[in-house]
Amino acid sequence: QAQLMESGGGVVQPGGSLRLSCAASGFTFSHHAFHWVRRAPGKGLEWVAVISHDGRGDFRAASVRGRFSISRDNSKNELYLQMSSLRTDDSAIYYCARDFSIFYYNIDLWGRGTTVTVSS
Amino acid sequence: DVVMTQSPLSLAVTLGQAASISCTSSRGLVYEDGHTYLHWFQQRPGQSPRRLIYKVSDRDSGVPDRFNGSGSGTDFTLTISRVEAEDVGIYYCMQGSHLPPTFGQGTKVEIK
Repeated sequence: QAQLMESGGGVVQPGGSLRLSCAASGFTFSHHAFHWVRRAPGKGLEWVAVISHDGRGDFRAASVRGRFSISRDNSKNELYLQMSSLRTDDSAIYYCARDFSIFYYNIDLWGRGTTVTVSS
Repeated sequence: DVVMTQSPLSLAVTLGQAASISCTSSRGLVYEDGHTYLHWFQQRPGQSPRRLIYKVSDRDSGVPDRFNGSGSGTDFTLTISRVEAEDVGIYYCMQGSHLPPTFGQGTKVEIK
């Protein structure tokens, strides 16, 4: 059964860093593009970043560009989100999500999410 | 960015009655391959999102046939023909035809 499982969330001070991971199982990881999508408390879903199946291409939302980077390790079936210069408005549940392309988007599978809290 | 506007933002429905959610995009959503990447997701309380409908009207496997998607151009609708208790949650439309992908604000569905 296809599954995504995020980890690495926690409480961090403003200006700090955190790396999220997403472990995939039950399907061929290297065939898919992946996104990070977040949901802040009391708000809706916000797209964060996408990476191609081979890791050679990625796009990031303007709100995180220059602070967050997305990467993957196809040998480990893992997706990552490196977050730095964190701000209080980055507090959210972060979901990894599966797709097929980085040029048009059709998410078909979501993880359970990991919570990031940025607070002093 | 393409702005996705949902209405209503909140909906209280009697069990067994129909419910409709509208989603309007600020730009047309036909991609260069001819497909329209407009999808609907359900997020039940405490759960992660789940795709219900993709490319306007294709229902995902395991999704009850009371969920239907329709629309074209910039106007799209999700209809639940007979609301059941398990349908409580927040529903989002999402466009995937333009970068960045964007979501509607979400519509909260409750039972009266």
